[in-house]
Amino acid sequence: SQLAEENPWALSVHEGESVTVNCSYKTSITALQWYRQKSGEGPAQLILIRSNEREKRNGRLRATLDTSSQSSSLSITATRCEDTAVYFCATENNNRIFFGDGTQLVVKP
Amino acid sequence: DPKIIQKPKYLVAVTGSEKILICEQYLGHNAMYWYRQSAKKPLEFMFSYSYQKLMDNQTASSRFQPQSSKKNHLDLQITALKPDDSATYFCASSQDRLGEQYFGPGTRLTVL
Repeated sequence: SQLAEENPWALSVHEGESVTVNCSYKTSITALQWYRQKSGEGPAQLILIRSNEREKRNGRLRATLDTSSQSSSLSITATRCEDTAVYFCATENNNRIFFGDGTQLVVKP
Repeated sequence: DPKIIQKPKYLVAVTGSEKILICEQYLGHNAMYWYRQSAKKPLEFMFSYSYQKLMDNQTASSRFQPQSSKKNHLDLQITALKPDDSATYFCASSQDRLGEQYFGPGTRLTVL
């Protein structure tokens, strides 16, 4: 079974709405990363949140980390059509990195 | 101008052959990485290099060998290719091993 898993599998919102993607993981971690991958492109790292941090922001993005429940969330406010992409979480521990399958987010005009 | 160049964009190989995937970064970064993304699996971290030295290897098979001839180059040699090696291979770089990573456009490899 996978060490990191995003949910839901897919999401659809309208521009301007806020959306949250969740990630659950199964190992101890030193950090958790969120990535975005648009169709036909390579991944783009969005936020890296270390195990001693609880929240991190990057513009319209906000990531939280709860090590007690082994979960993280990525929230996007004021979504735009260009936010349409697959969003991945990845766990990092002792320089080993494992990705989830991703959540497909579609932002409609 | 693209900051991370991967060549070729598409590559078709026959089972048992050997190929080299090229990666060059012009960001002045000291750390470089290889990842693999296939249709059936999540994105997989393969290798990390820092100052041209191997730091992490998360790839079980010795058929995959990174090669760093220059600080801003990290090629990936794959020998004895198998159909299961079919995937898109992404190169990435960061200022240092803890820094934000930037990904290249990928090389899509198909093994027949």
